Amino acid sequence: NAGVTQTPKFQVLKTGQSMTLQCAQDMNHEYMSWYRQDPGMGLRLIHYSVGAGITDQGEVPNGYNVSRSTTEDFPLRLLSAAPSQTSVYFCASSATGGPWYGYTFGSGTRLTVV
Amino acid sequence: AQSVTQLDSQVPVFEEAPVELRCNYSSSVSVYLFWYVQYPNQGLQLLLKYLSGSTLVKGINGFEAEFNKSQTSFHLRKPSVHISDTAEYFCAGTQGGSEKLVFGKGTKLTVNP
Repeated sequence: NAGVTQTPKFQVLKTGQSMTLQCAQDMNHEYMSWYRQDPGMGLRLIHYSVGAGITDQGEVPNGYNVSRSTTEDFPLRLLSAAPSQTSVYFCASSATGGPWYGYTFGSGTRLTVV
Repeated sequence: AQSVTQLDSQVPVFEEAPVELRCNYSSSVSVYLFWYVQYPNQGLQLLLKYLSGSTLVKGINGFEAEFNKSQTSFHLRKPSVHISDTAEYFCAGTQGGSEKLVFGKGTKLTVNP
């Protein structure tokens, strides 16, 4: 009964390094998404996926890549980290092909880029 | 595109007092609206949602919200708050059928003894 699992919980990167934030769900949810949360900004959509093999951009996609090879996994890749990407990242999933019936959120990854 | 505005960034109240957290939305077409709660150092949890039908929506933990189309609002209310309700609350919305959910900037509710 894990729900949405995000790893790692904390990460410090140097500018220019790359990394992948992992997100896995065990609820057979079709829809998955990535948000970043910054103080006073709420949550902003980075990328989303309506099913395996299908991804699309959200509000703030620049600097991030995603892929969805399986229903369960939706990793977020930072190719060349920048200090502006310091944030808390949340993965969320929904049972339908969109966010309409409510999200299940992971517990977040706190990323610091120095 | 849908946008959501939370009118108060911080709301302090005393325990057992009523509270209203305000949210306005922009879309004039069919809209789905949500309230989420985030306790310190945790992910977000769904409180309630409006998709269609009755304009008064009841959620978990005694919260309710009213969809008001004429005022384009979806305010969250609770008649009597507890210390444990201290958290950040987010209003979110999407146009019917859109795959993108947009969040407001959040309202920090602090319940004081």
